Amino acid sequence: GENVEQHPSTLSVQEGDSAVIKCTYSDSASNYFPWYKQELGKRPQLIIDIRSNVGEKKDQRIAVTLNKTAKHFSLHITETQPEDSAVYFCAALDDKIIFGKGTRLHILP
Amino acid sequence: GAVVSQHPSRVICKSGTSVKIECRSLDFQATTMFWYRQFPKQSLMLMATSNEGSKATYEQGVEKDKFLINHASLTLSTLTVTSAHPEDSSFYICSASTSGSSYNEQFFGPGTRLTVL
Repeated sequence: GENVEQHPSTLSVQEGDSAVIKCTYSDSASNYFPWYKQELGKRPQLIIDIRSNVGEKKDQRIAVTLNKTAKHFSLHITETQPEDSAVYFCAALDDKIIFGKGTRLHILP
Repeated sequence: GAVVSQHPSRVICKSGTSVKIECRSLDFQATTMFWYRQFPKQSLMLMATSNEGSKATYEQGVEKDKFLINHASLTLSTLTVTSAHPEDSSFYICSASTSGSSYNEQFFGPGTRLTVL
């Protein structure tokens, strides 16, 4: 079955700097890669997703890149702000969605 | 986006009792609903997938007789934790999808925090 690895587990960046979170997956049949943001005690919220026929997608300060050959995808957040502090989960989907273990992002003032 | 509600948001029960959690899609018909469990500071672990009108598909290691799932309509799925024990204490989250697989976006409920004393 699918296995999703996510790094780093914790990330601290200065406000205004960029943050990058990386994920790898094992099942080459996976074709949909969403990213979720979860604030403490709340539900995961989809922030961006990418499908296997696209290499990059951008939405304002958030971008995701996908390398199908290497089976890895990354989340990029630019000009980070305090409200970006949260746990971020990557996921990969073939017939079911498998989540990475999460990255706790701290934005330092 | 589509709205998924979950009830109750928080429940505290004694060991040995059963707890029912409801998951509703409020403004769309959910062909498929998913149930996840999330322990503190950990990722979401898929417990089971339920399709309306059919038996749920449980992930390996999840006891189907302990975690009863019913998906009686296109807008409601229920998870019943039977004979709950302290180790069942967790954050339970449902999600709903409009298609037969989770290829399309999943919409998450707000979660239910279960504490078993």
